[in-house]
Amino acid sequence: KAGVTQTPRYLIKTRGQQVTLSCSPISGHRSVSWYQQTPGQGLQFLFEYFSETQRNKGNFPGRFSGRQFSNSRSEMNVSTLELGDSALYLCASRPQGITEAFFGQGTRLTVV
Amino acid sequence: DAKTTQPPSMDCAEGRAANLPCNHSTISGNEYVYWYRQIHSQGPQYIIHGLKNNETNEMASLIITEDRKSSTLILPHATLRDTAVYYCIVISGGTSYGKLTFGQGTILTVHP
Repeated sequence: KAGVTQTPRYLIKTRGQQVTLSCSPISGHRSVSWYQQTPGQGLQFLFEYFSETQRNKGNFPGRFSGRQFSNSRSEMNVSTLELGDSALYLCASRPQGITEAFFGQGTRLTVV
Repeated sequence: DAKTTQPPSMDCAEGRAANLPCNHSTISGNEYVYWYRQIHSQGPQYIIHGLKNNETNEMASLIITEDRKSSTLILPHATLRDTAVYYCIVISGGTSYGKLTFGQGTILTVHP
C-alpha cells in the first residue's frame, strides 16, 4: 500500500510569489492534516480537511490556505511568500475511525 | 489538550532499554497519551498510545502511572536507527486526532 505522497519534495521560491503544495493521502484515508516545521517554532498544525471540509485550523495568517478534493487529495497554498515561510511542510492522513496519523516525507520550501 | 513536558535530550547505549519520560500533570480523564517519533528529515511516525493501562506493541511499551500524570515510553533494545526526536502528545479525542500539538520533544541519541 502506497504511503502519503507529497509533491514536490523540494521547492525554491522568491519572496512575494505564491506556492501550491500537494498531498495524496493513503488510499481510503479521508482526513488530511498539514503541518509546518521550522527550527525555531517546531512542528505546528496548519489545518485539517475531512471530506472536502476544513475541520480544524491552526493559528496561521490568511496567506495560508488549503483545500481537499473529492478523491481526498489535498493542496495547500501560500500566497505572498515571506522569508519566514521557509520550512518543511508535512502532510498527514488518517482513516476514519483510526486515531493514528500517517505522515508523508514533506516538502522542503525555501524562500529567497 | 493537556500540555506535556519532556527532557530535551537523552542518550542510550545500543542494545539497552531506552526509557523516555513525559509529564502531563493536567491530563483529564478522557485524554489519551500518544507517542510519535521523527527521524531526521522524515515525517513523524506513530509509535504507540494509551489511556490508562500499560500498552505494548512491536515497537515499544508505554507505561502510564496510576494517576495518569506521567508516562514512560520504553524501547526495549535500542538500535542506532532509533536515534530520533520523540514526541509525547495528549489528545482529547474526536476531531482532535487531526490536530496534533507537538512540543519540543526529546532528542534520543543511541550510541554504539
